[in-house]
Amino acid sequence: GAGVSQSPSNKVTEKGKDVELRCDPISGHTALYWYRQSLGQGLEFLIYFQGNSAPDKSGLPSDRFSAERTGGSVSTLTIQRTQQEDSAVYLCASSKDPGQGREQYFGPGTRLTVT
Amino acid sequence: RKEVEQDPGPFNVPEGATVAFNCTYSNSASQSFFWYRQDCRKEPKLLMSVYSSGNEDGRFTAQLNRASQYISLLIRDSKLSDSATYLCVVNNQVNRDDKIIFGKGTRLHILP
Repeated sequence: GAGVSQSPSNKVTEKGKDVELRCDPISGHTALYWYRQSLGQGLEFLIYFQGNSAPDKSGLPSDRFSAERTGGSVSTLTIQRTQQEDSAVYLCASSKDPGQGREQYFGPGTRLTVT
Repeated sequence: RKEVEQDPGPFNVPEGATVAFNCTYSNSASQSFFWYRQDCRKEPKLLMSVYSSGNEDGRFTAQLNRASQYISLLIRDSKLSDSATYLCVVNNQVNRDDKIIFGKGTRLHILP
């Protein structure tokens, strides 16, 4: 079946512009996560959606970052007034209903470059 | 103590050798554990879940030691294609909400 998809695959933007990154999770997966990964670094958790519960936004680095998930499916991560330090690969993952042993499936990521 | 800690490596290992990595975690209530593999400039992919009784998948064996709070990954008869970064992942689930922590990864280079 179809995996997690993300768009765009690459985005180059000027400092100060807003960007929107999209994630389409695997159909039927109730949990969706956003991470970012800078070059040569580990994954940094950003935000987590689980069903209709309030999202866990504890990883968002500043109020310039926001995310929403419409209809329990597609998610959009928005970065306002981008800064050069926002340059990274933004990864989305989804997983099935809660329970022990839940595994995440990642999309290919969006490579964001802020010039 | 970091929530999930891994030796960053790199581990440079000749082809055919056996290599093992450990990963320590700080939360004794952690409930589920995984190893992911990440190739250069690619997304992480699940390698295997780690069960309490230990589990094996071909050349790969994962173990969990709750008393000492670490998990391990053993790769036997290593192949060139095993070169990647191996990420340790711990889920500290609270009620029905995940709290997934990724380690920073261990880099493995298999040498011909």
